[in-house]
Amino acid sequence: DVKVTQSSRYLVKRTGEKVFLECVQDMDHENMFWYRQDPGLGLRLIYFSYDVKMKEKGDIPEGYSVSREKKERFSLILESASTNQTSMYLCASSLWTVYYTEAFFGQGTRLTVV
Amino acid sequence: GENVEQHPSTLSVQEGDSAVIKCTYSDSASNYFPWYKQELGKGPQLIIDIRSNVGEKKDQRIAVTLNKTAKHFSLHITETQPEDSAVYFCAARHNFGNEKLTFGTGTRLTIIP
Repeated sequence: DVKVTQSSRYLVKRTGEKVFLECVQDMDHENMFWYRQDPGLGLRLIYFSYDVKMKEKGDIPEGYSVSREKKERFSLILESASTNQTSMYLCASSLWTVYYTEAFFGQGTRLTVV
Repeated sequence: GENVEQHPSTLSVQEGDSAVIKCTYSDSASNYFPWYKQELGKGPQLIIDIRSNVGEKKDQRIAVTLNKTAKHFSLHITETQPEDSAVYFCAARHNFGNEKLTFGTGTRLTIIP
């Protein structure tokens, strides 16, 4: 059974803290993604990576950075957390193919910044 | 970039009736259109997808239709059941080799017993 695992289900952090969200996949997928999910806004792409040490900005990268040192692990970093980063964060991975892109999602991390 | 609009944002149907969710996309180069279902407390999961060279695809009670000329695609669920209650997201992929998916804003479907 394919699996994308996010390290925390719920996280509460203080404004200004540096926050790490971790994601691990066991499917040997090349691509990994971080999305943010907010009511009425759907899923918005923050960053994605198509290979180790490679990263590309998504639609809303401001205030975030990422790290991919190993193929199976993709970390999202909030350098200085702010209250407007309170949200549900979803990690996903996919195999590179020409014809389709089934993304497998983790269960999500609900981050609250106070 | 690609823009995907999804309607309605909420939908309630009686158990056994059909449900239809519609999406439009902006970029005519988009070629792959998946639908994801998100149950409470879980991440989204792919339920059906369609490529741009196909007009319709069915899988048991769910079907997806694509109109490339009008740039819209729809999810149809027939004989709805309580377990169909979830949030549904449509998405579009821009072109071959580009792994980015642009998602719609989601539809919360509630099945009334």
